[in-house]
Amino acid sequence: GQQVMQIPQYQHVQEGEDFTTYCNSSTTLSNIQWYKQRPGGHPVFLIQLVKSGEVKKQKRLTFQFGEAKKNSSLHITATQTTDVGTYFCAGGGKLIFGQGTELSVKP
Amino acid sequence: DGGITQSPKYLFRKEGQNVTLSCEQNLNHDAMYWYRQDPGQGLRLIYYSQIVNDFQKGDIAEGYSVSREKKESFPLTVTSAQKNPTAFYLCASSVDREGYEQYFGPGTRLTVT
Repeated sequence: GQQVMQIPQYQHVQEGEDFTTYCNSSTTLSNIQWYKQRPGGHPVFLIQLVKSGEVKKQKRLTFQFGEAKKNSSLHITATQTTDVGTYFCAGGGKLIFGQGTELSVKP
Repeated sequence: DGGITQSPKYLFRKEGQNVTLSCEQNLNHDAMYWYRQDPGQGLRLIYYSQIVNDFQKGDIAEGYSVSREKKESFPLTVTSAQKNPTAFYLCASSVDREGYEQYFGPGTRLTVT
C-alpha cells in the first residue's frame, strides 16, 4: 500500500540554526499537508501543497513539493524555542501520515 | 466557538473492560476519523466515517468499534480484544474525506492496567 516516509525521526538544534525535515512517498501524491504537534498537544494544520514544484512560505517556514509529487520538505530558518514539536507530513487524498520529525531546540 | 472536543482527557481502565471515548464536532464536517498515537510514532488510522451511518476500517481497526449515528458525534469503543490499548487517541474531522485539512481534538490518553 501507499507509504509516506519521513526523515529524520529526531533533530536537535541550537537556537538560531536551520532545520529541515523530508517526506518521501512510494507513489505520486495528489497533495501534501504539513502539521505541527506541540509536546502534549494535538496536530495542527500548517499548510497544503498541491502543484508540482510548489513552494510556499510562512514567515521562517518554507514548504516545497517535489516536481514528481513524490517528496516534500519543510525548512525552518533560524529556529526558535517556539518551533519545538513534532512535524508531520501527510500525503494523498486519503491522507497517509508520515512518522513525524521531533524537533528540539536548545536555547 | 467551532471546534472538536474529546472527553475525557485522561482515562484509566482495568484490563478486560471495554471503554468508550467521546468525540464531538460542531464544524458541520462530513468526515470524521480516529487515530492512535504511540510514543515516537506517527498517527495510525483506526476508523473513519465519510457520512452519517457509514464508517470504514483504517489500518489498525482490530479490537476497536465505532458508530456514527449523528453527524456531530463519532465515539470510539476500545474493546477488551485490543491487545495493547494504552495509547493517545486523537479524533479529527474534515469537510470531506479527500483533499481537505483535518481538525484535531485535544486527544484522550488511555491507560489500561
